[in-house]
Amino acid sequence: GNSVTQMEGPVTLSEEAFLTINCTYTATGYPSLFWYVQYPGEGLQLLLKATKADDKGSNKGFEATYRKETTSFHLEKGSVQVSDSAVYFCALAGGTSYGKLTFGQGTILTVHP
Amino acid sequence: GAVVSQHPSRVICKSGTSVKIECRSLDFQATTMFWYRQFPKQSLMLMATSNEGSKATYEQGVEKDKFLINHASLTLSTLTVTSAHPEDSSFYICSAAPDGAEKLFFGSGTQLSVL
Repeated sequence: GNSVTQMEGPVTLSEEAFLTINCTYTATGYPSLFWYVQYPGEGLQLLLKATKADDKGSNKGFEATYRKETTSFHLEKGSVQVSDSAVYFCALAGGTSYGKLTFGQGTILTVHP
Repeated sequence: GAVVSQHPSRVICKSGTSVKIECRSLDFQATTMFWYRQFPKQSLMLMATSNEGSKATYEQGVEKDKFLINHASLTLSTLTVTSAHPEDSSFYICSAAPDGAEKLFFGSGTQLSVL
């Protein structure tokens, strides 16, 4: 079956530091890959996505590249801000149902001024 | 942007009671909605797919008689945890997408605590 493994957190960084959150997956076929973010007290929001190999998703300074050879979709940001403090979830959608997502366990990010 | 409203955000109940959680799409119609469950420090697990006007599709290992899903309209799905027990305590999240779109919107979740 499908699975997603994220680096364990929590991750604590100073403002303007470089961020990497690792995500690897196991899936049959060609899944679509997503990063979701959950800010305190809010619901999950789609941060970025990639639907095929070598695609790069980007949004709000965050980037992730769909690497089929390493089955990875690592999230990166060059300079984090305090407002980026949140929980980040890597997820994949296999097959034809985009709504049936398989999530990683989530990574808590805290950014200090 | 599209909004999915989930209610209540937090509920505490006694063991043996039933709890209903509502998921509404506020500005779009959704033939299909999804219910997830999240245990502390674990990932979200898909419980079931809610289909308007028909029976929900449950994932393997999810008790359909324990978790009753009713998708009575194109904007409302409800999850009822029947005869709740402490092991049902969890964070429940719904999601929906506008019909024909491939972007999911999530509710803010419901924290259920069963005493």
